[in-house]
Order: sequence, then C-alpha cells, then structure tokens
Amino acid sequence: NAGVTQTPKFRVLKTGQSMTLLCAQDMNHEYMYWYRQDPGMGLRLIHYSVGEGTTAKGEVPDGYNVSRLKKQNFLLGLESAAPSQTSVYFCASSRQGNYGYTFGSGTRLTVV
Amino acid sequence: GNSVTQMEGPVTLSEEAFLTINCTYTATGYPSLFWYVQYPGEGLQLLLKATKADDKGSNKGFEATYRKETTSFHLEKGSVQVSDSAVYFCALSDKGSSASKIIFGSGTRLSIRP
Repeated sequence: NAGVTQTPKFRVLKTGQSMTLLCAQDMNHEYMYWYRQDPGMGLRLIHYSVGEGTTAKGEVPDGYNVSRLKKQNFLLGLESAAPSQTSVYFCASSRQGNYGYTFGSGTRLTVV
Repeated sequence: GNSVTQMEGPVTLSEEAFLTINCTYTATGYPSLFWYVQYPGEGLQLLLKATKADDKGSNKGFEATYRKETTSFHLEKGSVQVSDSAVYFCALSDKGSSASKIIFGSGTRLSIRP
C-alpha cells in the first residue's frame, strides 16, 4: 500500500530553469493538494484539485502551475525557478469530507 | 479568516515527563480539528482528530479535546518517550470550505531527553 508517492525526493535547480514535481496516489482519493513548508511558517497551500481535470489556486500560487489529467496524479510545475522557491514541497490527498490528509514524504528543492 | 495558533518551540522535556502543547483556533463555523506529527525527513502523519465540540481524539497515548468555549485543542501525553521527538502541527478544516482544505499552525518542535 504505497499511499502518496512524490518524485523526485531532492532536486537542485539553477535560477530560471523549469521542472515538474510528480505526485501519485493509489487510494482513489478525489482531492489532492500541493503545499510548501518553510521554516517557522508551517505549511502553505499552493494549489489544489477537487477531481480529475480540475485545479484551483491556494494561498501562494504565484510562480507555480498544476495539472490533474488523471485522478491519481497531480503535477506541480515551476516554469522559471527563483531562489524564493527553495522549500520542501508536500503533496497530500484526501477523500471527500473532513477526514484529514494523507501526505507524501516530500521533495526538497533548492534553487541557486 | 480561519487560523490556528500554537505554542512556539522548541519544547524540551525529559523522558516520562507530562506534555502539553497549546493550540487555539479562529474559525467562522464549526471546524474539524487535527494534530499532525512530522518525524525527521518524513511527511506529516495524522495523529488524531476531533470533529465536534467536546470530542476527544486519542492515539498512541496522545489526547486532545475539542473545546468550543475556549476555541482550543491542546495536545497532551502523560509520559513522553524519546521516540516522540518530532514536530507537531495543529490544524483545522472548515466544514464549509471547498475541497476540505486544511489550515496548519506553524508547528512545535518537541525534543525528549533520555
């Protein structure tokens, strides 16, 4: 039972480069989320999705794009990376209702 | 808007000590409340939850009671172990929000000395 899987686990980018973070869940959850975690700031919601083919902005969406072409996958893209996007990124999923999230193990991204 | 405030860390205790991590919330409706735990190098794991006033969530010796009158959800454990060292996040989910979005506190780092 894999739960939520994030790839890659670590990545170093140069300013201006692009990349895509992949999140995959095998629990048939409707909802998926991307958060970033920064020291002293807890987790902040970047984008989320309520179902296949849908996406919506969260608290800090600027500089990121997302897509959910398949129910089990939620992709987070950085078109032109900036040092301010250095962070740990977490994907999560949940079923409908207030049952809480299942989190992936995170991607540590450094932009130099 | 909705928010969660939890005590700042780090909190350092000796093994077998009593633990309290304070959490208060602000919400317009009647949210569900959660405690998540993050061990080093890992993602967050749901520790316990409560969905209505006076509910008590419990797991692995940890407890928290949903107090509507004080808008609080304090985390307690009677006797901590070294293995409890982690970062703890209080969180809420407004039942009226779309997609059951969760708002997290800033986290409290707990270190337990042998």
